Amino acid sequence: AQTVTQSQPEMSVQEAETVTLSCTYDTSESDYYLFWYKQPPSRQMILVIRQEAYKQQNATENRFSVNFQKAAKSFSLKISDSQLGDAAMYFCAYSGGGADGLTFGKGTHLIIQP
Amino acid sequence: EPEVTQTPSHQVTQMGQEVILRCVPISNHLYFYWYRQILGQKVEFLVSFYNNEISEKSEIFDDQFSVERPDGSNFTLKIRSTKLEDSAMYFCASSYPDRGLNTEAFFGQGTRLTVV
Repeated sequence: AQTVTQSQPEMSVQEAETVTLSCTYDTSESDYYLFWYKQPPSRQMILVIRQEAYKQQNATENRFSVNFQKAAKSFSLKISDSQLGDAAMYFCAYSGGGADGLTFGKGTHLIIQP
Repeated sequence: EPEVTQTPSHQVTQMGQEVILRCVPISNHLYFYWYRQILGQKVEFLVSFYNNEISEKSEIFDDQFSVERPDGSNFTLKIRSTKLEDSAMYFCASSYPDRGLNTEAFFGQGTRLTVV
């Protein structure tokens, strides 16, 4: 079974600074998807960024980028120029494809210091 | 922008009662999911649904749970006899397959279920 590990329960960063959230996963598959979801206090799950395992290029979405290391099974999220609105729980997730459900990590609570 | 909608936003029920949580997935999506998040914990997969049948389910999804797509738009989760430990946020999600693989799941805003 796949597992997703987020080793940082909480991270704090100054506004406008850069922060990196860690995620590792375990799978025997060669093709899969990885995601970062944001959960603000409203508790809705919002997709931040996704990465297809077959793509070597790291995904980027504006201030958000990932460092995908397939051999190391590592998938970290970098948030540049942190903003107060980035404060939320961030969940790393894995999907094996098809009708597979997402396997989530336990989340990292990101605090933005003004 | 199309979105997944869930009703109600909050449901309070007596232990032992049946509840039905409702979801309207994005219209052209083909995969449908239910997830659960107990307060302060991670999001857990319950079940996926494709082509009018269950594709995959977790060990959490036992006989007290069932899902249905009664018409072309709604997707429901029924909990037959609720227990206190069923209190959680329940998220519906849908996705559209790309190259036969999954794309990102779009989540609804959740239904907070409180069993008293």
